Amino acid sequence: AQSVTQLDSQVPVFEEAPVELRCNYSSSVSVYLFWYVQYPNQGLQLLLKYLSGSTLVKGINGFEAEFNKSQTSFHLRKPSVHISDTAEYFCAVRLITGGGNKLTFGTGTQLKVEL
Amino acid sequence: DTGVSQNPRHKITKRGQNVTFRCDPISEHNRLYWYRQTLGQGPEFLTYFQNEAQLEKSRLLSDRFSAERPKGSFSTLEIQRTEQGDSAMYLCASSLAQGVDYEQYFGPGTRLTVT
Repeated sequence: AQSVTQLDSQVPVFEEAPVELRCNYSSSVSVYLFWYVQYPNQGLQLLLKYLSGSTLVKGINGFEAEFNKSQTSFHLRKPSVHISDTAEYFCAVRLITGGGNKLTFGTGTQLKVEL
Repeated sequence: DTGVSQNPRHKITKRGQNVTFRCDPISEHNRLYWYRQTLGQGPEFLTYFQNEAQLEKSRLLSDRFSAERPKGSFSTLEIQRTEQGDSAMYLCASSLAQGVDYEQYFGPGTRLTVT
């Protein structure tokens, strides 16, 4: 079975500072990787995904993530955060074959951007 | 395309009562997923449909839970004899089944509170 670990439950950061949200995964087979954002009282929105190819993927709202197969990591980064980035961020994996396309999520990281 | 919709958005019920939630997916999407999200956790997979067929159910889905998608369009999730442990956000998502580069689009969720 696959699993996702997000070690940081909360990350406070000042506006315009850089941020990194960490994600590590475990799986015996190959997976696709995703980052979702959830604003209060809303559903999840896809930020970016890694399917294949370049290990550095760029998403919406200036976010990017790097897939590191040897470290089984997929950390999310933004060089300069804005107050509107305050939200819960979830890392997720999906099996490349089988599994019905269902997503396995981490426990989430609450990003709080302060002035 | 108005996205995935879920009704009701909030439901408060007494322990032992039955509740039913509805999900309307994006119209051309043939896959529909249900997830449950408890406080401080990431979403957990419950079940998914391809068209009207329910193809997988998580062990989290006890006998008190039943989901249907009778015409391959909207879906309902019913919980019988609710328990306080059922209090959670229930998320619905839909996607296309074909192709690798797909995305699950999430609805805003139904928040269930069992008193």
